[in-house]
Amino acid sequence: NAGVTQTPKFRVLKTGQSMTLLCAQDMNHEYMYWYRQDPGMGLRLIHYSVGEGTTAKGEVPDGYNVSRLKKQNFLLGLESAAPSQTSVYFCASSVLAGGRQFFGPGTRLTVL
Amino acid sequence: KQEVTQIPAALSVPEGENLVLNCSFTDSAIYNLQWFRQDPGKGLTSLLLIQSSQREQTSGRLNASLDKSSGRSTLYIAASQPGDSATYLCAVGDSGAGSYQLTFGKGTKLSVIP
Repeated sequence: NAGVTQTPKFRVLKTGQSMTLLCAQDMNHEYMYWYRQDPGMGLRLIHYSVGEGTTAKGEVPDGYNVSRLKKQNFLLGLESAAPSQTSVYFCASSVLAGGRQFFGPGTRLTVL
Repeated sequence: KQEVTQIPAALSVPEGENLVLNCSFTDSAIYNLQWFRQDPGKGLTSLLLIQSSQREQTSGRLNASLDKSSGRSTLYIAASQPGDSATYLCAVGDSGAGSYQLTFGKGTKLSVIP
């Protein structure tokens, strides 16, 4: 039981490049979330999903897109990376909408 | 908009001491509150979840209390150990607009000195 895993762990992009971050969970959770963590800002919700095939915007969705084609996977895409998207990205999942959230180890992204 | 504040930002205590971490929030109409632990370079680990109808939750040496009316929660750690050194994050769960979302504080960095 791996819990929540994230791929890749580290990535460096140039401005304008695109990439996809993958989150996978093996706990059969319905709800999945993408957060970013920046120094002095705390964690902020980017997008979330309440089940397979659904997505919704969080607090800071601009510049990101997401997809949940399979229940166990939640993908975060950056179509045209900007230096302001340099951050640590965390994925989380939960059984219920108010339940305990289980986090992945994070992806450290640097955009030059 | 919900705002969550954690004071102090950093705390250093000798091993064995009991300690309290504080969390305050601006909107008392919350769904629940969660406490997390984050080790350097790692993800968050869920410690405790308190529903809005509860006053406290306990897990081992950890006890979290919630006073919704005053917009405060505390995390009490008994008999602290060096392994407790980490950043502790408070997150308030709101269910406004039909969706549940967590608003995080910036954390308290705890160092337990052997």
